Amino acid sequence: DGGITQSPKYLFRKEGQNVTLSCEQNLNHDAMYWYRQDPGQGLRLIYYSQIVNDFQKGDIAEGYSVSREKKESFPLTVTSAQKNPTAFYLCASVGQATGNTIYFGEGSWLTVV
Amino acid sequence: GQSLEQPSEVTAVEGAIVQINCTYQTSGFYGLSWYQQHDGGAPTFLSYNALDGLEETGRFSSFLSRSDSYGYLLLQELQMKDSASYFCAVDSGNTGKLIFGQGTTLQVKP
Repeated sequence: DGGITQSPKYLFRKEGQNVTLSCEQNLNHDAMYWYRQDPGQGLRLIYYSQIVNDFQKGDIAEGYSVSREKKESFPLTVTSAQKNPTAFYLCASVGQATGNTIYFGEGSWLTVV
Repeated sequence: GQSLEQPSEVTAVEGAIVQINCTYQTSGFYGLSWYQQHDGGAPTFLSYNALDGLEETGRFSSFLSRSDSYGYLLLQELQMKDSASYFCAVDSGNTGKLIFGQGTTLQVKP
């Protein structure tokens, strides 16, 4: 079945470490997104990509980096520069193939220890 | 700037009807969508409005007025399982950005 797969589901990071969250989709979607959600809050846009080899900063890009080398993949790296990375991270994709409906992955919980 | 405003909390009883409003101010607009999120889960798509008017999908309906930069989600015959957070989101089209509101927590009581 088509969908978005995020991994890992739970991740613990030590202070000063970089971690990378994986996001893979087999929906043939062009656009992919990363959001951050803090407890009881809404979704804030980190980065988004409309096409391979191109991406744009969202509203809270500082301390994060992404790449889009393949249409199916949009990994997010949480760098040590992100001072408060503990949050729920959601990857999403949109495409004409599925009527412009946003599909979300199951999310990744990142905790700094 | 770009912003979406929706109430933070709404409470209703089983069987009732509830309306969750969303006003937006964005640099571009292609459509307004609604998502449901249960605690600890990912948001799931409910509806999408690109044109003015009412879209009905079972117990849920969504309305859009582009001239007023306003929309709402209407939930009928409320059930306990409808207790969740509901987000409106704007598809700004040209830029490809999807901007979400802060979410409305709906509590359905017996």
